[in-house]
Amino acid sequence: AQSVTQPDIHITVSEGASLELRCNYSYGATPYLFWYVQSPGQGLQLLLKYFSGDTLVQGIKGFEAEFKRSQSSFNLRKPSVHWSDAAEYFCAVGNNAGNMLTFGGGTRLMVKP
Amino acid sequence: DAGVIQSPRHEVTEMGQEVTLRCKPISGHDYLFWYRQTMMRGLELLIYFNNNVPIDDSGMPEDRFSAKMPNASFSTLKIQPSEPRDSAVYFCASTDRAGANYGYTFGSGTRLTVV
Repeated sequence: AQSVTQPDIHITVSEGASLELRCNYSYGATPYLFWYVQSPGQGLQLLLKYFSGDTLVQGIKGFEAEFKRSQSSFNLRKPSVHWSDAAEYFCAVGNNAGNMLTFGGGTRLMVKP
Repeated sequence: DAGVIQSPRHEVTEMGQEVTLRCKPISGHDYLFWYRQTMMRGLELLIYFNNNVPIDDSGMPEDRFSAKMPNASFSTLKIQPSEPRDSAVYFCASTDRAGANYGYTFGSGTRLTVV
């Protein structure tokens, strides 16, 4: 069975600082990996995805994520955080049939001025 | 494309009343998912449909919950009778058979409050 762990429930960073949100997954085959963002009162929006190829993937809003098979990780990064990035971030792993995503518990990001 | 459309956005109801949440998936998407989100339990998958057929409803909390998908463009989630512990945000999401390539598209959710 596939599973996702996001070790950090809350993270606070200063505006302009760099950000890394951790995600560890468990899946028997090559995983399909996703990061979603949820702003307050909104649904989940896809930030980026990884299926194969280059292990560093670029997404929207200046985010990137790196797939590391040896560490079963897919961490999300941003070089300089903006106040508007305050939200909850979800990592997800998809099965190879493409029809089931398993979500992590989410990391709530707060941005200090 | 208008995306996944959910209605209503907010619902406040009294305990014991019937509540119906509605979802219109993206045209051409043949998978539809209902999720519930709470502070305590996070994002929980309740049920999902493929080609309008319920495939896995093991996440439905109890018999008070039911979901239907009468056609490819409409699904409902019904709670009867509602209880205060059902208060949550309910999301609908859809994808196509290539979902692994694109992930899910989520609606904006219905915030349900049962008093």
